[in-house]
Amino acid sequence: EVQLLESGGGLAQPGGSLRLSCAASGFTFSSYAMSWVRQAPGKGLEWVSTITFSGGSTYYADSVRGRFTISRDNSKNTLYLQMNSLRAEDTAVYYCAKSGGFKDPGDYWGQGTLVTVSS
Amino acid sequence: DVLMTQSPLSLPVTLGQPASISCRSSQSLVYSDGNTYLTWFQQRPGQSPRRLIYKVSNRDSGVPDRFSGSGSGTDFTLKISRVEAEDVGVYYCMQPTHWPWTFGQGTKVEIK
Repeated sequence: EVQLLESGGGLAQPGGSLRLSCAASGFTFSSYAMSWVRQAPGKGLEWVSTITFSGGSTYYADSVRGRFTISRDNSKNTLYLQMNSLRAEDTAVYYCAKSGGFKDPGDYWGQGTLVTVSS
Repeated sequence: DVLMTQSPLSLPVTLGQPASISCRSSQSLVYSDGNTYLTWFQQRPGQSPRRLIYKVSNRDSGVPDRFSGSGSGTDFTLKISRVEAEDVGVYYCMQPTHWPWTFGQGTKVEIK
């Protein structure tokens, strides 16, 4: 059974940092691209970032480029999102999502982790 | 960026009746490999999103066959042949053809 378990969310001050993790199990993690998608309170879904199966290529939304870094450790079956220079508008539930094919994202999702940016 | 426009944004439906959601993209979603990448997600209240349809019309495993996807180019549709109570939630289309990937605004399906 595929499982994705996010952690690392919490309260951060504006300008601060957080690192999210997504522990994967039930599939060959190193064979699939992975993504982060966020959802601000009461709002819709927003794609944040995607990383290829090897980690060799990464992609970002304009809203986070230069502040967030996606990475993965295939030996630990874990996906990461390093979030720096946090802003109030980064407040959201962050989901990790597995891709089937590279351009077939979201066949499995985690339960999400809440990030709140506030002073 | 590719703008994804869904309509309607709110869809009250009678149980057992059909429902249809439109999704239009500001650019063609045909990729260089010849495939069209358009995905539909369902998000039930309080839950994580769930993928229903990928590559326009391919239903995910475990998705009831009352859900179907169709369309081409820039014009796509998700249909529910007979709405059931468990179908209540918000439905999103998403395009992974062009960077950045973009979602529609979401369509809230509720029971009349």
